[in-house]
Amino acid sequence: EIVLTQFPATLSLSPGERATLSCRASQSVSSYLAWYQQKPGQPPRLLIYNASNRATGIPARFSGSGSGTDFTLTISSLEPEDFAVYYCQQRSNWPPELTFGGGTKVEIK
Amino acid sequence: QLQLQESGPGLVKPSETLSLTCTVSGGSISRSAFYWGWIRQPPGKGLEWIGSIYYSGSTYYNPSLKSRVTISIDTSKNQFSLKLSSVTAADTAVYFCARQHIPAAETFDNWGQGTLVTVSS
Repeated sequence: EIVLTQFPATLSLSPGERATLSCRASQSVSSYLAWYQQKPGQPPRLLIYNASNRATGIPARFSGSGSGTDFTLTISSLEPEDFAVYYCQQRSNWPPELTFGGGTKVEIK
Repeated sequence: QLQLQESGPGLVKPSETLSLTCTVSGGSISRSAFYWGWIRQPPGKGLEWIGSIYYSGSTYYNPSLKSRVTISIDTSKNQFSLKLSSVTAADTAVYFCARQHIPAAETFDNWGQGTLVTVSS
């Protein structure tokens, strides 16, 4: 099983600041890494797929980078609606399975 | 616009079988570009993938749950279903159904709102 470790667990920032979230895989996942945003009482929303591709309707302030084992989600300038929990997720071919990271909470400082 | 809606009992007794159905509207469940998956989230915790199914009936499951999980699909009703046997309190969670876009590394691009299932006697 590929384990995804997200850090930091909590990020305390102010609106307008830059957020940098990390996700590390226990073995290479190539570029098969996605990022989701989840707000309380809502399902997750897909932000980024294949490490760096923004999903439909996602603002340009969200960007993803990385390959292999180390990945980053960057929010260039935090808007009030961006304070939420963010999860990374990978898809491995063998054994075929999907796993999520433990999440990073971005909270208002 | 695609919509997914989970349905099923909100309370299940320990050792019994949890059964949920996801009804898809606004699009066909038989489209070749998609898998259909189940994910759960215990209260206050992170996300756990349970398993996925293709319209042909082909499935793959989380190895840690595989012995207890069955996912099936009914293309005539545009629905897919989850059965989780021998449940315990550790299976208490919000259960989500979601669409997986195969060309995008099977990422979950559309989600249902989720349904809370509590395991308790």
